[in-house]
Amino acid sequence: DTGVSQDPRHKITKRGQNVTFRCDPISEHNRLYWYRQTLGQGPEFLTYFQNEAQLEKSRLLSDRFSAERPKGSFSTLEIQRTEQGDSAMYLCASSYRDYYNEQFFGPGTRLTVL
Amino acid sequence: GENVEQHPSTLSVQEGDSAVIKCTYSDSASNYFPWYKQELGKGPQLIIDIRSNVGEKKDQRIAVTLNKTAKHFSLHITETQPEDSAVYFCAASRAGGYSTLTFGKGTMLLVSP
Repeated sequence: DTGVSQDPRHKITKRGQNVTFRCDPISEHNRLYWYRQTLGQGPEFLTYFQNEAQLEKSRLLSDRFSAERPKGSFSTLEIQRTEQGDSAMYLCASSYRDYYNEQFFGPGTRLTVL
Repeated sequence: GENVEQHPSTLSVQEGDSAVIKCTYSDSASNYFPWYKQELGKGPQLIIDIRSNVGEKKDQRIAVTLNKTAKHFSLHITETQPEDSAVYFCAASRAGGYSTLTFGKGTMLLVSP
């Protein structure tokens, strides 16, 4: 296994359009996280899955954002009616369920909303 | 919630010098402190972490220290090389159960040949 993968790597869209990103975690990892990173900032937590259950959502995750992990494997993050403020790097991380929960990140999807 | 402060925001050193990045955290219940290296256009890469049951950890040219009383932890890179140039992030979390990471704002390290 080569690590966490994300698709697409870059997405340019017009304001008001919907976009969907995919994350494939490391195969034996049952925890999956989404983060958002803007220029000059550290990653900020958006939401977290353990297997297929979404266990926590940040207040950063507005009603326009939805995430799924239908079979406990890959996950999708959808943003509806995109706004220019949604432009950011969207990062996915996965971890194996142990006490310290080391998280390994994918390469990210860079979203630009025009 | 947790708040992590990181400094400096930029650090320039000559090849072979040492570099130190410092972070403070606010939640006394935090007990897991990873460090990530992020190169341009890539996701953060876990390079080392420290857990609250130890005060120092070393891996080749990289070392981390933790002072739980003062709630601060540091990354030390010795014998820096140009390929160490990147943005470094510290983070903190409570281990056990599920645990989300709270990140600092990052330090851009530039190592000049």
